[in-house]
Amino acid sequence: GQSLEQPSEVTAVEGAIVQINCTYQTSGFYGLSWYQQHDGGAPTFLSYNALDGLEETGRFSSFLSRSDSYGYLLLQELQMKDSASYFCAVRPPDTGRRALTFGSGTRLQVQP
Amino acid sequence: DSGVTQTPKHLITATGQRVTLRCSPRSGDLSVYWYQQSLDQGLQFLIQYYNGEERAKGNILERFSAQQFPDLHSELNLSSLELGDSALYFCASSVTDSTDTQYFGPGTRLTVL
Repeated sequence: GQSLEQPSEVTAVEGAIVQINCTYQTSGFYGLSWYQQHDGGAPTFLSYNALDGLEETGRFSSFLSRSDSYGYLLLQELQMKDSASYFCAVRPPDTGRRALTFGSGTRLQVQP
Repeated sequence: DSGVTQTPKHLITATGQRVTLRCSPRSGDLSVYWYQQSLDQGLQFLIQYYNGEERAKGNILERFSAQQFPDLHSELNLSSLELGDSALYFCASSVTDSTDTQYFGPGTRLTVL
């Protein structure tokens, strides 16, 4: 089966940088994606790494290393509105690489 | 606003009952996915349709079924409801049938009493 592990909670202060890690024990997927979900809201796509390396989108960056079975989401210049849960996800072969399998999520709390 | 709509927003029902959740995808999207989110199971894939045809199946119980209609809206039917079915049910859509970029609707919160 597929397994994506993330820390359950991370706390940081406004203006800081935080890294959310995702380690996985799965294979045969195309890439690693990240979703954000505010309390009571819907998951929203943030970024996708098809290849190893760093992808940057504004204040958010995402990294993938297939050889280490590891990825992370980096959030810079943290703002209060970044307080949310963050999920890494892959599309594994057992659904024909069509549907997303999500990690358990990391709850980020940004403090003033 | 993702452009995906789901109705109803909230649903409260009793054990043993049957409910139908409805989803309209973003304009132009042919693929619809259903996900269930609960505290103990996290966010789990249930089933996917593409242009009216079932494309992938996840951890969907036999008591649950879905379909996608010619106008591309989709319905998820949950029957013989149990307390453990209480969860948030999300619909997502995408243009193609295999992409990491999926657009999620606001969800339907189902409470089974």
